[in-house]
This record gives sequence, structure tokens and C-alpha cells, in this order.
Amino acid sequence: QLHLQESGPGPVKPSQTLSLTCTVSGGSRTSEGYYWSWVRQRPGEGLEWIGYIYYSGDTYYNPSLKSRLSISVDTFKSQFSLKLNSVTAADTAVYYCATYYDINNYYRYFDSWGQGTLVTVSS
Amino acid sequence: DIQMTQSPSSLSASVGDRVTITCRASQTISPFLNWYQQKSGKAPKLLIYLTSTLQSGVPSRFSGSGSGTDFTLTISNLQPDDFATYYCHQGYSLPQTFGQGTRVAIK
Repeated sequence: QLHLQESGPGPVKPSQTLSLTCTVSGGSRTSEGYYWSWVRQRPGEGLEWIGYIYYSGDTYYNPSLKSRLSISVDTFKSQFSLKLNSVTAADTAVYYCATYYDINNYYRYFDSWGQGTLVTVSS
Repeated sequence: DIQMTQSPSSLSASVGDRVTITCRASQTISPFLNWYQQKSGKAPKLLIYLTSTLQSGVPSRFSGSGSGTDFTLTISNLQPDDFATYYCHQGYSLPQTFGQGTRVAIK
């Protein structure tokens, strides 16, 4: 079972860039079928898929965030990262990194999750 | 985007009860419907994938069914550890979307 851990610099001011890193351990970082994902949850709300990246570097973003979003991967460090720019209070949420399993266009589920990190956007 | 609608939004039940949660998609998504359990302050946990396949380690009192646009999560013989919020999720097409959640509370 993979272990994922989010890390980041803490609170972010409006209009600035939110940056988070997820460190993966306990398994292969380049296993076929695994997409390295970000999901967020605003306080008291449901889950929102942000986007994911394959180890090859192919990215898939939620259109609602695409213009502000960048996800990258560093397989040598077993890390992948999220950058969301021009943040507002609406971006305040718990951000989870997770693995999404999709092989041969089948399965398609999130099977491992980090513990989540609360990012507050406030001046 | 595919909209996922869960019902009810919340329910109260007693230990030993049978609980059913439904999830309706705005278009057909078979079989790419998954269920997650989330406890307060914790990350979601995969319970069921591909509509009805139990994730390894998940108790057999959890079951899933459905097809097309309508899906069900059933918890038979509700246990104290099952009081949590449950989310459905579609992996049929991007952007992936989740239901709004169903909170299962103690009666």
C-alpha cells in the first residue's frame, strides 16, 4: 500500500500562488495505470477533483481550474506537485493527494490517499 | 460535466440497521461508479469500485449495485464504525465528479 504525504508552506494570501507537494513512498512511482492526483474539499463541502498527472508527464485538469493550474511530477524524488495561481478565499480547502488507478481504460478509482492538508487563503 | 446526486443527504440509523444510499448520475456511467467512506477529519477510503466490487479489506456488510444512471450502496447490519459520510464518484468521463455526500449518524 502506497503512503502519500502532502506538504506546503501554509496560509496563502489572495492573488498569490498555492503550492503543494506530495511525497510518495512504499511502492513504485512509475507503475503502469497509476495517475498522481489532487482532490480538494472546501470546509463542510464535498470532494472536488482538481487534476492528475501520469508518470510520463501527461496531465489532465478540471476545466474549472485549468487556467490557473499546473501539476508536475518528479519521479526521481517520488514527488508530484500542485500549483494554483491567483487564489481567492474560494480556494480555501483541505487538499488531498491521491493515486488514481486506470489501466486499459478500466477500474478508475482513487485507492490511496494522503491525510490532507488545510490551505487557508486569507489576507 | 456529469452531475452526481446522492440521496438522502443525511440519515439517522441504529446499530444493526440496514442502510441504503442512492446515487443518480446525469447520464449513463456504468460500470464506473465507486463509493468512498470518509470519517471526520480523515481522508476518504475506497469501499467499492466498478459498481459492486468490494475493495480488499472492506467488510462484506457493504455492497453496491446498479447500472446505467442509478446506483445503490447498502450497509447491512450497521456497525458503530460505519457512522461516517459516504460519497459516490464517477470515473466514466472527465472531469471526474463526486456526489455531495450522505452523512450516516447515530439515531
